Amino acid sequence: AQKITQTQPGMFVQEKEAVTLDCTYDTSDPSYGLFWYKQPSSGEMIFLIYQGSYDQQNATEGRYSLNFQKARKSANLVISASQLGDSAMYFCAMREAPSRQGGKLIFGQGTELSVKP
Amino acid sequence: EAQVTQNPRYLITVTGKKLTVTCSQNMNHEYMSWYRQDPGLGLRQIYYSMNVEVTDKGDVPEGYKVSRKEKRNFPLILESPSPNQTSLYFCASSVRQSNEKLFFGSGTQLSVL
Repeated sequence: AQKITQTQPGMFVQEKEAVTLDCTYDTSDPSYGLFWYKQPSSGEMIFLIYQGSYDQQNATEGRYSLNFQKARKSANLVISASQLGDSAMYFCAMREAPSRQGGKLIFGQGTELSVKP
Repeated sequence: EAQVTQNPRYLITVTGKKLTVTCSQNMNHEYMSWYRQDPGLGLRQIYYSMNVEVTDKGDVPEGYKVSRKEKRNFPLILESPSPNQTSLYFCASSVRQSNEKLFFGSGTQLSVL
């Protein structure tokens, strides 16, 4: 069954340091999309970064990069130079094929990141 | 600006009083969907729509209705809300392909007393 696993319920990082948030996934589909979203305390869901299953290179978006290891089925998020505003809940998600409920997003349970000054 | 607009942001109601949460997107997206987020249960899909007049059930459709009369709008209707529908609701949209990101609305925090 399709599944996303985030094993770190909470993490702390010192301001200006880098942090890695772990995500593993399970799917039998050859084509899928992997996403990271940020949810601050205000509640909205903010898109951070995307990796396609056929992409050869790891995705990067500013301070965010995705460490994609397809054989290990992992899609870890790396945040470089952490800022206080990075404190939030982070969700890893996988988008299934359109045949599966229109391509719904399956979310992990989330990792709460706290950045210390 | 490309966005998904959800209203209201906060809503407190009483059991049995019909309500509608509106959702509108300005990106001409075919696909729209509703999710609810609950502590310990994560985000779960309620309903989705692949295009105008095409809607289908997600994982937790009981107690909800939707309609897709126009491409841009996808309202969520609770005909007789109950306390177990107290939750944070998100509307989302995307182009149809599975490798496209979902754009989320800002969420609706619903409390049913």
